[in-house]
Order: sequence, then structure tokens, then C-alpha cells
Amino acid sequence: AQTVTQSQPEMSVQEAETVTLSCTYDTSESDYYLFWYKQPPSRQMILVIRQEAYKQQNATENRFSVNFQKAAKSFSLKISDSQLGDAAMYFCAYRSAIPSGATNKLIFGTGTLLAVQP
Amino acid sequence: DGGITQSPKYLFRKEGQNVTLSCEQNLNHDAMYWYRQDPGQGLRLIYYSQIVNDFQKGDIAEGYSVSREKKESFPLTVTSAQKNPTAFYLCASSNRQGVNTEAFFGQGTRLTVV
Repeated sequence: AQTVTQSQPEMSVQEAETVTLSCTYDTSESDYYLFWYKQPPSRQMILVIRQEAYKQQNATENRFSVNFQKAAKSFSLKISDSQLGDAAMYFCAYRSAIPSGATNKLIFGTGTLLAVQP
Repeated sequence: DGGITQSPKYLFRKEGQNVTLSCEQNLNHDAMYWYRQDPGQGLRLIYYSQIVNDFQKGDIAEGYSVSREKKESFPLTVTSAQKNPTAFYLCASSNRQGVNTEAFFGQGTRLTVV
């Protein structure tokens, strides 16, 4: 079974600085998707960034980028120029790319609570 | 606007009662999911459905039931058999396959047993 591990329950960063959130996963599949979701105090889950496993190039979305290391099964999120609005719980998630498979469900890590200090 | 709607936002249940949480989506997604969120435990999958009239148990299905009679709707019933139902519940939907496979989430329902 696939698992997702986030080993940092809490992180803190100064405004305008850079922070990296860690995520590792375990799978025997070769094709899958990885996601980072943000959950602010409103508790609305917001997609931050997505990575397809078959793509070697790391995904980027404005100030957010990932370091995807397929062999190491690592998927870290880097937030550059941190802003107060980035303060939230961040979840790493895995989803199989097998069509119609029973494993199409999203599998989440336990989350990392990010605080941004002014 | 396309999206996924959960209702109610807050729900109070007396012990021994069944309650149903609503989840509706107009994104034309085939797959729908129910997650439970407790502090320090992330999101745990209760039930999911890949297609109408079919659903599968997730990791913590005991004490819960679902139905998927329409593509747009995936209600979750919390039964009296669920021993610790107080939690935050999130519904999500997604395409079953293809590039756009990220899940879209509702705003959640906070269930409290009184």
C-alpha cells in the first residue's frame, strides 16, 4: 500500500525568506501524481502545486516550487519570498495514475503547520 | 460557478442519532471522496466512489455509510455505531483519470456530538 510521510509537524519562517517542507512517499508504482495542498485557518483545501511522476522537470507555480526526486521518493515544497498569507497547514498527497484502478484515491500525509513571522 | 458544496457547515448530533452530511458537485467529476480530519492525523479516507451506484470503503469506514445515486451527489451518513464522530469532514471530487486529476474540496462540515 502507498504511504505518504511528512516528518515536520511544524515549521516557521520569517517573512520574505525561503522555507522548504519535506515529504516522502512509498509506492511500487511507476506512474503517479503528487500534490501539495494548503489548508488555511478557514479550513478550505487549496491546491498549491502538482507533479506528474513521468515528468523529470520540477513543477513551479509562482513562488512555489518542488524538488521531485523519484528514485529517492521525495517531494519537497519550496516557498520563496514567504508572505503572511502563506501561513497554513500544508499537506502532501499521492494518487495513482493507473486508469480505473482502485488506488485512484488520494493518500495524504499528516501535514506540516507553517507559521510566518513578520 | 463550478464547485463542490457541503452542507451544513456546522452540525450537532445527540448520542445515538444518525446524521447525514450533504455533498454536491457540479464539476461533472466521476470520482467523489469523504475524508475525516482530526488534529494531528491529517486526512483519513472514509469512503470513495469512482462511478454512480458504486462506492468503496476507505481506511476508516466503520460507523459510516454512503450512497451514490446521482453523479452530482455523495451524501455521508454518520451512524450511531460511530463511537467518536466529533470531527471535521471534507468532501472532494476529481476526474477518474487524465491530466487534471487533482481533487477539489468542499468547505467542510464540523460535526459535534452533544
